[in-house]
Amino acid sequence: RKEVEQDPGPFNVPEGATVAFNCTYSNSASQSFFWYRQDCRKEPKLLMSVYSSGNEDGRFTAQLNRASQYISLLIRDSKLSDSATYLCVVNKGGGADGLTFGKGTHLIIQP
Amino acid sequence: DTGVSQNPRHKITKRGQNVTFRCDPISEHNRLYWYRQTLGQGPEFLTYFQNEAQLEKSRLLSDRFSAERPKGSFSTLEIQRTEQGDSAMYLCASTRGTAEYEQYFGPGTRLTVT
Repeated sequence: RKEVEQDPGPFNVPEGATVAFNCTYSNSASQSFFWYRQDCRKEPKLLMSVYSSGNEDGRFTAQLNRASQYISLLIRDSKLSDSATYLCVVNKGGGADGLTFGKGTHLIIQP
Repeated sequence: DTGVSQNPRHKITKRGQNVTFRCDPISEHNRLYWYRQTLGQGPEFLTYFQNEAQLEKSRLLSDRFSAERPKGSFSTLEIQRTEQGDSAMYLCASTRGTAEYEQYFGPGTRLTVT
């Protein structure tokens, strides 16, 4: 099983729709979880951290299910500018501090 | 612009040559990370520094790779005897704390080995 698994997509979604991505991770010792966004030929940038209680930032909602080792990202009222690759990121845990990135989910918002 | 700079932005080299990349992190950040990213993949962790100490290295970091951060500020990543499989984007990131803090990435150095 890969350390962090995501559906690579692409997800083609009409503007204004709601879209959800999922991610599973294999290391139960992981303690920190994030969604990063990466635009084409650009560096990754933090979109939001993911907390156990779930958290929301504007149109974005992130959820963590530790029992199932599952993370989700929900985007409401999608905008054209949301088109990007969304990377699920998990720290290695167990005293190791590197981050493990998923392959990313490619989202295309269509007008 | 995140404040993390990398040089050069592009490097083309012939197989067998040595290359060195530089990363200048955000000045107050004590942690610096190196990643490698190939097309269609997420960044893969290579190594990280806390100030000048190299605290963790990935299995991906073969003997041909070496990284330094001599004064706890900028860092260099050297690849000796480059192979075509080393062609990738090499990303540097810095953070002010431990793994739960946001990592700020530089624009990367794209290496092409011919």
